[in-house]
Amino acid sequence: NAGVTQTPKFQVLKTGQSMTLQCAQDMNHEYMSWYRQDPGMGLRLIHYSVGAGITDQGEVPNGYNVSRSTTEDFPLRLLSAAPSQTSVYFCASSYSAGNYGYTFGSGTRLTVV
Amino acid sequence: AQSVAQPEDQVKVAEGNPLTVKCTYSVSGNPYLFWYVQYPNRGLQFLLKYITGDNLVKGSYGFEAEFNKSQTSFHLKKPSALVSDSALYFCAVNFGNEKLTFGTGTRLTIIP
Repeated sequence: NAGVTQTPKFQVLKTGQSMTLQCAQDMNHEYMSWYRQDPGMGLRLIHYSVGAGITDQGEVPNGYNVSRSTTEDFPLRLLSAAPSQTSVYFCASSYSAGNYGYTFGSGTRLTVV
Repeated sequence: AQSVAQPEDQVKVAEGNPLTVKCTYSVSGNPYLFWYVQYPNRGLQFLLKYITGDNLVKGSYGFEAEFNKSQTSFHLKKPSALVSDSALYFCAVNFGNEKLTFGTGTRLTIIP
């Protein structure tokens, strides 16, 4: 049972480039979310999804797009990378958003130069 | 807006001593409260949660947490610390919606 799989683990981008961070889960979880982790700021919610075809914005959505075409996959797209998007990105999934614990992926460390 | 605070950036405890990592949350409705642990270069792992019922909840690795509604706190505790407990700990709160809000984290160091 793989849980939540994130790819790539590391990525360096130039300012203005675009890329997609992949997230896949094999637990049939309806809820999926993306967070970014920055020193001293904890984890901040970027986007989330409560099921296939349904997405919504979190606390820091600007510069990021998401879609959810299947239950398993929830990719995060950076449209035009900026140095401020240098961070560690985590994908998480759960049976539901409210009262279940989340399962996290191992993260993607992104550097924008 | 829902919020959660971890007042201590760092906590150091001698091995074998009891440990406490503090967490408080904003007053609004009935919260769902969680603790997660993050080891170096890893994702977060779920430790325990409070939804309703007994104020003392038990979780993984011998950790427990006490929900105190009057003080709006949810402190993480362990009776006897291990060196392997050294990690980054996050408190999180959800008020029954789709968003889980995390604190800024507390780095726990257990001194051998």
